[in-house]
Amino acid sequence: QKEVEQNSGPLSVPEGAIASLNCTYSDRGSQSFFWYRQYSGKSPELIMFIYSNGDKEDGRFTAQLNKASQYVSLLIRDSQPSDSATYLCAVPGVSNFNKFYFGSGTKLNVKP
Amino acid sequence: DVKVTQSSRYLVKRTGEKVFLECVQDMDHENMFWYRQDPGLGLRLIYFSYDVKMKEKGDIPEGYSVSREKKERFSLILESASTNQTSMYLCASSLFGYEQYFGPGTRLTVT
Repeated sequence: QKEVEQNSGPLSVPEGAIASLNCTYSDRGSQSFFWYRQYSGKSPELIMFIYSNGDKEDGRFTAQLNKASQYVSLLIRDSQPSDSATYLCAVPGVSNFNKFYFGSGTKLNVKP
Repeated sequence: DVKVTQSSRYLVKRTGEKVFLECVQDMDHENMFWYRQDPGLGLRLIYFSYDVKMKEKGDIPEGYSVSREKKERFSLILESASTNQTSMYLCASSLFGYEQYFGPGTRLTVT
């Protein structure tokens, strides 16, 4: 079992809709969770992170964490074509916080 | 702003050549990382370093070595490049336990 799993997609949503991206993790002791966006041919850039159960909002982005069910989600409201990218979920190791485990990413297509 | 730079955006080398990829960060981060990214395989950790002259193997260290002589600089070395090392190489840095910041990447082609 992989430490972090994501549906590879592609996930297609119309412009203006809510895109929902999901990530599950295997280590129940994980404490922090990071979402990165990666445009084609570019390097990953950090969008947001979450440490506590519940929701964290930043502009059009909301991260949701459910530690009991071991999943973290990223919601993108009012999706724009410029949001089309691959979204990577990352979870630091429990025994080594410096080592991140990355999901393989979900490709999002926002159709105009 | 955190800035991580890599020595080349594109690199073409021949099989058997020794290849050096350099990474520099300007935020005094303790940790530095080298990943490779291939379609369908995601990001795979090659090596990381949590201090000068310290290194740890990641998930795929075979065929690679690293050097960290100064805190801001982390080098990845391909001792004898092979075609299966054709890939996108990404460097990242972080403070202990915090988010990783990535450089722009080096697309290496070995022919």
